[in-house]
Formats: sequence, C-alpha cells, structure tokens
Amino acid sequence: GEKVEQHESTLSVREGDSAVINCTYTDTASSYFPWYKQEAGKSLHFVIDIRSNVDRKQSQRLTVLLDKKAKRFSLHITATQPEDSAIYFCAASKPGTGSNRLTFGKGTKFSLIP
Amino acid sequence: DMKVTQMPRYLIKRMGENVLLECGQDMSHETMYWYRQDPGLGLQLIYISYDVDSNSEGDIPKGYRVSRKKREHFSLILDSAKTNQTSVYFCASSLSEGTTGQLYFGEGSKLTVL
Repeated sequence: GEKVEQHESTLSVREGDSAVINCTYTDTASSYFPWYKQEAGKSLHFVIDIRSNVDRKQSQRLTVLLDKKAKRFSLHITATQPEDSAIYFCAASKPGTGSNRLTFGKGTKFSLIP
Repeated sequence: DMKVTQMPRYLIKRMGENVLLECGQDMSHETMYWYRQDPGLGLQLIYISYDVDSNSEGDIPKGYRVSRKKREHFSLILDSAKTNQTSVYFCASSLSEGTTGQLYFGEGSKLTVL
C-alpha cells in the first residue's frame, strides 16, 4: 500500500523566516495531497491541499508544491508567525480506493526559535 | 456549525474491560473515520464508514469493531481492551465528493488501558 514519508520530524526557524516541510509518497496513482495542522493538545484541522492536475497551489502564506516525477510534495510557509507552531501532517490518497482513504505521514513538529 | 464531537474525551480502563468511544457530526457527512494517534507513528486508520451499516476495515482493524446505525453517529468498540490500545483516538468525517475532500476531526479521546 501507499507509504508517505515526512522527512523532517522537527523543524525550527526564526520568526519571520520561511520554512519548508517535505514529504514523499510511493504510489504513482496517488493524486490528492492534503496537509493538516495539529496545535499542541488539540485536534487536527485542514490547512491546504493540492491535486495532481496542478504542481503549485498557494493560500496566503502557505504554498504547496507537487513534483509527480519525484513523488514529492512540500509545504512552504513564508513570514512565519508564532501561530504557525504546530505539528504538520502530510497525507496522500488515490482515486478508486473508496472515499477519502488517506495515508498520513508521521508529522513534523514545527516551532519558532525564540 | 460544522462540528465533530467525541465522547468521552478521557477514559481509563483496566485490561479486559470493554470500551465504547462515540462520535457525532452535524454536517450530514456520509463518510466517517476512526484513527488512532501514537507518538512517532502519526495517524493510523482503524475503520471507515461510508454510510449507515456500510463499514470497511482500515489499516489496523484488529481488536476493534465499529457501529454506524445513524448517519450522524459512529462508534468505536474495543471488546476486552489491551494495554497496547492505549492511545488517542480521533474520529473524522467528510463529504463523499468523489474520493477526495477535507476531513473534519473531532477533539480526540484519550484512552488509557491499565
């Protein structure tokens, strides 16, 4: 089955800097790649997604890039702010699996360097 | 108000006892999910429910069963809980727009099995 690997288990940057979280997947049939954010002690909520018919999607300070050849996608956060500190999970799914059967990465704990 | 509600939020049980975790959503979503989250492992899918009485095993269904008798309710049952089922359990729901779409997560139920 699909495997999603999140390369950075932790990531720290200075406030205002940019950050990148990278994920790779194994199944070439995967076509939907969402990102979820989990703040400390809280639940997960959706932040942004990308489908395989595009290679870039931006929403305010967040940009997702998709490289289908390399089976890699990444979340870029610009002008980082304290409220960005959280665990970020990438995920992948493919059509035909029935509903939204996501495979999640293990998460990247993102924080700002004081 | 788009909400997924889980009960109880915290639960302590002894090994061998039965556990019932309940989940409700007010969005009339067809599809509901149960995940567990363990440190360093990310989220693992236990069961998916496509609608009332239409349930499918996820990646780690062993030791669990589910029940969905109403669209808005999805229960996770552990018959004879084991210590390795200590975890945080998340319920989620989504519309079934094809095979992709945002998941809405509940706040989580922290289960400790002694």
